[in-house]
Amino acid sequence: SQTIHQWPATLVQPVGSPLSLECTVEGTSNPNLYWYRQAAGRGLQLLFYSVGIGQISSEVPQNLSASRPQDRQFILSSKKLLLSDSGFYLCAWSSAGGLHEQYFGPGTRLTVT
Amino acid sequence: AQKVTQAQTEISVVEKEDVTLDCVYETRDTTYYLFWYKQPPSGELVFLIRRNSFDEQNEISGRYSWNFQKSTSSFNFTITASQVVDSAVYFCALSEGSGGSNYKLTFGKGTLLTVNP
Repeated sequence: SQTIHQWPATLVQPVGSPLSLECTVEGTSNPNLYWYRQAAGRGLQLLFYSVGIGQISSEVPQNLSASRPQDRQFILSSKKLLLSDSGFYLCAWSSAGGLHEQYFGPGTRLTVT
Repeated sequence: AQKVTQAQTEISVVEKEDVTLDCVYETRDTTYYLFWYKQPPSGELVFLIRRNSFDEQNEISGRYSWNFQKSTSSFNFTITASQVVDSAVYFCALSEGSGGSNYKLTFGKGTLLTVNP
């Protein structure tokens, strides 16, 4: 069966510090991968998605970047965090050419101080 | 552009009551997919159901049932005999089937359901 991991689970970082959040998927090959942010107020905002290694599409211009160095690894980064980067970050995967549903990881709660 | 509206921001019920969560969608595609997700206090989104635009048959899974009506562009979710463990934020989502392989989801803003003992 497929599983998705995210780490760290929680993170407190000062403004201006770098960020690296990691997401890995097991039990599937060539998945589509996604990064979402959920700020206070519950809305889910799609940040990036990837359909293959090295292929990244950005949905919202921002202080963040994403990379996919391996088939089942997706990394969210920032060189300098802003207060507005605080939120709950969720990684998800879906089958390439599959039935559209996305499966989410446990999330990372980021607080920028 | 596609859009999902969940007009109910918060609902509070007493245990064993039935509750219906509303979802209205907009899309120009004739092929699309609708979803419901549950987000308990732990934060992880849990996939509940997917429906295809060409299949309007309602579905029941235990205490959960879904009513898909293309005529009103609605995909409502009913929990029968609610339980405290049903307390969560519920999201309705839409993806369009035409073009591309990324299958992006458009989420509604969610409905916070609180089931009181």
